Amino acid sequence: TQLLEQSPQFLSIQEGENLTVYCNSSSVFSSLQWYRQEPGEGPVLLVTVVTGGEVKKLKRLTFQFGDARKDSSLHITAAQPGDTGLYLCAGAPRNAGNNRKLIWGLGTSLAVNP
Amino acid sequence: DAGITQSPRHKVTETGTPVTLRCHQTENHRYMYWYRQDPGHGLRLIHYSYGVKDTDKGEVSDGYSVSRSKTEDFLLTLESATSSQTSVYFCAISQEEGSSYNSPLHFGNGTRLTVT
Repeated sequence: TQLLEQSPQFLSIQEGENLTVYCNSSSVFSSLQWYRQEPGEGPVLLVTVVTGGEVKKLKRLTFQFGDARKDSSLHITAAQPGDTGLYLCAGAPRNAGNNRKLIWGLGTSLAVNP
Repeated sequence: DAGITQSPRHKVTETGTPVTLRCHQTENHRYMYWYRQDPGHGLRLIHYSYGVKDTDKGEVSDGYSVSRSKTEDFLLTLESATSSQTSVYFCAISQEEGSSYNSPLHFGNGTRLTVT
């Protein structure tokens, strides 16, 4: 069974702090997606990474795909209360890159306090 | 935002009753999915559809059926609701299915179902 482990499970920080959340697996993925989910809403895609070692930036968010395409990280610089939410990673298994095969992590619940 | 509407947003029902949840999209996307989200389990795929009247099972399909008679509507039916089906149900759509990179999922805002 392929698993995606996210850590930490919960994170509570003060506004302005930096943080990193991780998404790890022993399996190789053809691509990996990061979503953010706010209470009472569905997940919203932030980014997709495809190439090993790839780094993508979205304003204060930096996403990295591991060289071996088994893991990924999300770094937030100077966190804001608006960053609060559940961060989910989802991996497309190698040779099965379609959406119905996505493997989902359990998420990191982030609270940024003013 | 992708035009996806789920109804109802909240429902309480009794064990043993049938329940139907509706997902309506205005994006004309071919692929539609039903997920459930539970603490400790994350998002799990129940059923998906790859076209009108074309559906297939996901990883947790027991006790659920689906129908898609029109491109825009995807219905999820709990044939005889049980307490283990208490969950938040999400509908998602995607334009293509062959590459999750090129066609990510767009989710509705969910239906919170409680089975008493």
